[in-house]
Amino acid sequence: EVDLVESGGGLVQPGGSLRLSCAASGFTFSSHWMSWVRQAPGKGLEWVANIKQDASEKYYVDSVKGRLTISRDNAKNSLYLQMDSLRAEDTAMYYCARVSGVVVVTAAHWYLDVWGRGTLVTVSS
Amino acid sequence: EIVLTQSPGTLSLSPGERATLSCRASQSVSSYLVWYQQKPGQAPRLLIYGASSRATGIPDRFSGSGSETDFTLTISRLEPDDFAVYYCQHYAGSPWTFGQGTKVEIK
Repeated sequence: EVDLVESGGGLVQPGGSLRLSCAASGFTFSSHWMSWVRQAPGKGLEWVANIKQDASEKYYVDSVKGRLTISRDNAKNSLYLQMDSLRAEDTAMYYCARVSGVVVVTAAHWYLDVWGRGTLVTVSS
Repeated sequence: EIVLTQSPGTLSLSPGERATLSCRASQSVSSYLVWYQQKPGQAPRLLIYGASSRATGIPDRFSGSGSETDFTLTISRLEPDDFAVYYCQHYAGSPWTFGQGTKVEIK
């Protein structure tokens, strides 16, 4: 069964650090781009970052650039999010998600087809 | 950054009714648009990609249409399990962005 399980969330003070992990199983992890998406309490979804299969390409939303770092270990089937200089506005449920795609004619269509259950990060003093 | 605006914010309907949800992009995203469903306490679920292609296992009462800047998710006949929040998201370049969501609630 395809599954993603996040861990590492918790309460941290402003300015602090946290490292989130996402364990993948049931599929060939090294064949997929992966994403982190977050959701502040009672709010909508916000894409955070993407990482290519070999980690040679990484993309971030502007609000986290220089503070959050996405990485992966294909040997361990794991995705990570290193979170530094945390702010109150980083408080959210963090989901890892698998990126899948299909090519139709000349267009590549990407989507998040497998999601974890999320891990909650609370930044507060 | 491409801004996606969903309307209405809340849709109050009865089971069996038709739901029409709108997503408008601030600039063209071609057909690079996805729809997700999210229920309370759960992760989002993929419904539609490429603006109109249903994901695996999604019932055919869900359909997507549109291109460029105007998109629609239609649920032909609402079932009790369909009452949830629906988000659109584009992948026409970085950053990917989501709409703010449309809540479909029981009238």
